[in-house]
Amino acid sequence: DAKTTQPPSMDCAEGRAANLPCNHSTISGNEYVYWYRQIHSQGPQYIIHGLKNNETNEMASLIITEDRKSSTLILPHATLRDTAVYYCIVRVRGNAGNMLTFGGGTRLMVKP
Amino acid sequence: DTGVSQNPRHKITKRGQNVTFRCDPISEHNRLYWYRQTLGQGPEFLTYFQNEAQLEKSRLLSDRFSAERPKGSFSTLEIQRTEQGDSAMYLCASSLVGRGDEQFFGPGTRLTVL
Repeated sequence: DAKTTQPPSMDCAEGRAANLPCNHSTISGNEYVYWYRQIHSQGPQYIIHGLKNNETNEMASLIITEDRKSSTLILPHATLRDTAVYYCIVRVRGNAGNMLTFGGGTRLMVKP
Repeated sequence: DTGVSQNPRHKITKRGQNVTFRCDPISEHNRLYWYRQTLGQGPEFLTYFQNEAQLEKSRLLSDRFSAERPKGSFSTLEIQRTEQGDSAMYLCASSLVGRGDEQFFGPGTRLTVL
């Protein structure tokens, strides 16, 4: 799986958008970008994934650059409950996919 | 609740004792994964099953560790002769191959070896 690079920490004001960047310059054509988050003392929670098109669900939006070398996870209106470590992972999806390789992630602190 | 469940949530043991953890995946999921997470680090892959077959094991999985999934449903992870370095959060995840293989995690079992 391709390696990802994320800033170690970020702050965001409650109610504002949180934009979490991820670099994955060595991503292969069949690798997807996945985002998970881990709230303190809980298991990781799946957020969203995408291949090349931008994706949106009830939790977040994922913006992938045209060259696929970087992406941004957007939490449109961050709340205190969004304080967590956010992991960007690239991996093959489906039958060929297996383990997730977690890096250090970004520790997002949402402040009142 | 139809998510992944793990038991116990916390386990404190003395060095040298054996411990066993259980994971119940989401019912229709055919893949089950075990990860280990130490303080301040991201989870690290240990092993995974597809149905009852154990398909891959990490080098982190020493001879003292054994995992089973006898009927392709729940799984157990046993650690024999525990060491202080085994203290960690043990996470289980499950997924359904054929629907993208997105992994859904349980709450984890926190092991403390004294």
